[in-house]
Amino acid sequence: GQSLEQPSEVTAVEGAIVQINCTYQTSGFYGLSWYQQHDGGAPTFLSYNGLDGLEETGRFSSFLSRSDSYGYLLLQELQMKDSASYFCAVRAGSARQLTFGSGTQLTVLP
Amino acid sequence: DAGVIQSPRHEVTEMGQEVTLRCKPISGHDYLFWYRQTMMRGLELLIYFNNNVPIDDSGMPEDRFSAKMPNASFSTLKIQPSEPRDSAVYFCASSLGAGSGQPQHFGDGTRLSIL
Repeated sequence: GQSLEQPSEVTAVEGAIVQINCTYQTSGFYGLSWYQQHDGGAPTFLSYNGLDGLEETGRFSSFLSRSDSYGYLLLQELQMKDSASYFCAVRAGSARQLTFGSGTQLTVLP
Repeated sequence: DAGVIQSPRHEVTEMGQEVTLRCKPISGHDYLFWYRQTMMRGLELLIYFNNNVPIDDSGMPEDRFSAKMPNASFSTLKIQPSEPRDSAVYFCASSLGAGSGQPQHFGDGTRLSIL
């Protein structure tokens, strides 16, 4: 099976930078994805890392180190609208489905 | 383009009643996933289909739960009989392929309350 760990809560101020970490234990790892979910909303895809290194999409970046079974999501120039839950997810082994972490609730303060 | 469409958005019913949740995936997507989200258990996969065929239903909690996908544009998740512990948000998601980098597109969910 797969297991993922991420912090339950993170708080930061508007304009700051925040990093949300995710560690995973799995076999046959195929990649790490990140999803965002606002309260009452649906999860939406943010980014994917299949190889080691940094992927950048605007204010958001995601990093993966397969040797460390570790990744993170980096949010820069935080805005109030970034307040949401962020989930890391892995696809592993022969599975076609994603296994989601428990989510990190990000609160952005003015 | 229309995203994944789920209905109803909210459902409140009494325990013992049958509940049917509906999902229309994005046209052309060949994978469909049903998830349940609760505070205690997070986002958990119930079942997924590939080309309308159920592939893995190991996440379905009990025989009270069943899912069907009669065609490429429609799927249902049924709970019969319903129990208060089934109260949750149920999401449907679809994807084009299931490669590692293929994003899943989620519907807005059905908020189910069993009294």
